[in-house]
Amino acid sequence: DAGVTQSPTHLIKTRGQQVTLRCSPISGHKSVSWYQQVLGQGPQFIFQYYEKEERGRGNFPDRFSARQFPNYSSELNVNALLLGDSALYLCASQTGIADTQYFGPGTRLTVL
Amino acid sequence: GIQVEQSPPDLILQEGANSTLRCNFSDSVNNLQWFHQNPWGQLINLFYIPSGTKQNGRLSATTVATERYSLLYISSSQTTDSGVYFCAVVTSGSRLTFGEGTQLTVNP
Repeated sequence: DAGVTQSPTHLIKTRGQQVTLRCSPISGHKSVSWYQQVLGQGPQFIFQYYEKEERGRGNFPDRFSARQFPNYSSELNVNALLLGDSALYLCASQTGIADTQYFGPGTRLTVL
Repeated sequence: GIQVEQSPPDLILQEGANSTLRCNFSDSVNNLQWFHQNPWGQLINLFYIPSGTKQNGRLSATTVATERYSLLYISSSQTTDSGVYFCAVVTSGSRLTFGEGTQLTVNP
């Protein structure tokens, strides 16, 4: 079975631009979560979606938004990019809201 | 919020050595997972272990929920074990709170 997939793999943007990251969960998984990992630190929770509804939001500004589609895939959008948004963005999926989370390979975003 | 502390922050071993990584957490948890992050950034699930002991090959983990810690044991380490090991906990909902990780280097 395919694991969690994310696209693109790498992305380079400039300050002030907007970016959209995509995630496809494991087949049968209905929950998707997004995490940001800055170099040298552990991942930080951004959002969780379950059955297309937001179920949790971490301590991130409103420039960060997300949504989940009927096929359970998800997009993370970041507006007005800052240098500090440079990070590895990880997507995780799980069957239900309290089950083991499985992570995708991540999208590495560089903001210049 | 809950605090997750991992130790040691860095560990250097010779191939074949054994090691113990520790994760302390400041509050009761519903779930605890151990991950291995490879050099390409992929987080690989090792254990889902809110309590008790589990073993998978050369790796085993023990969580003592009442004392708020978990241990990850790596026996007969191999160079492919190198990478960062993360402990992550869930207190409510399902958001994972990660520790800062242990950077493991296994030399041949």
